[in-house]
Amino acid sequence: QTVVTQEPSFSVSPGGTVTLTCGLSSGSVSTKNYPSWYQQTPGQAPRTLIYNTYTRSSGVPDRFSASILGNKAALTITGAQADDESDYYCVLYLGRGIWLFGGGTKVAVL
Amino acid sequence: QVQLQESGPGLMKPSQTLSLTCAVSGDSITSGDYYWNWIRQPAGQGLEWIGRIHTSGGINYSPSLKSRVTISRDTSKNQFSLNLTSVTAADTAVYYCAREGPSHPGDYFPWGQGTLVTVSS
Repeated sequence: QTVVTQEPSFSVSPGGTVTLTCGLSSGSVSTKNYPSWYQQTPGQAPRTLIYNTYTRSSGVPDRFSASILGNKAALTITGAQADDESDYYCVLYLGRGIWLFGGGTKVAVL
Repeated sequence: QVQLQESGPGLMKPSQTLSLTCAVSGDSITSGDYYWNWIRQPAGQGLEWIGRIHTSGGINYSPSLKSRVTISRDTSKNQFSLNLTSVTAADTAVYYCAREGPSHPGDYFPWGQGTLVTVSS
C-alpha cells in the first residue's frame, strides 16, 4: 500500500527558512503526481498554498514556494512569520483518478 | 461565488451506514470540468481523500475505502452524496466536501465548513 511521507514536525525561527518534503513510499515524486500543498490551522478547512507542483494559489504570499527536490516534492517557507505556524499537508496524484494525502507536518515558528 | 455545505447525521452507531450530502450553490455540479470531492479528517489527525465525482458522472474512490464507499449525485438538487457502510469508531471524523477545478489538479477550492460525524455505541 502506497504511503505519502511527510516529516512529522519542524521548527523554524522567525525570519528563517524551512523546507518540508513530500515523498512516496513506492518511488519518486514527479510533476506527474501534481503535488499540491495545503496549510491548515486548528478548526479551519485547509487552504491551498501550491497546486500542480509549482503554482501558487491566489493570494498566497511569495515566501511560499515549491519544487521537486531529488525524489520528493518540497515546500519552502522563506522568511517565516508567526502566522505560518500551522499544519502543512501535501497531496499526490497516484494515477487512475486516485489522490493520497500525506500525514502532515506541524510547523512551529519560535 | 461557489459555496458547499455538508449535512449529515452527527452521531451514529457502529455497523450503520453513513450518508452525507454536499449541497452546492453558485455552480452546477454538471457544468464545466470539475471534480466534486469528499475528504475527511479524524480529530487531531491528517486529511484523507475519500473520492470524487466528475461533472460527467465519472467516479473515483480511495482504494482503502473503495469496498465501503459510494459517491453519487442528485442533479435536480445540485448536490452530491457520500455513503459509507459498516462504520466503526475509526470513521469518526470531520467530513469535508470540496471542488477541484479544471487545470488545477489537486487544488481543492472551495471547501465546505465540514461536518463532524461521531461513531459510538
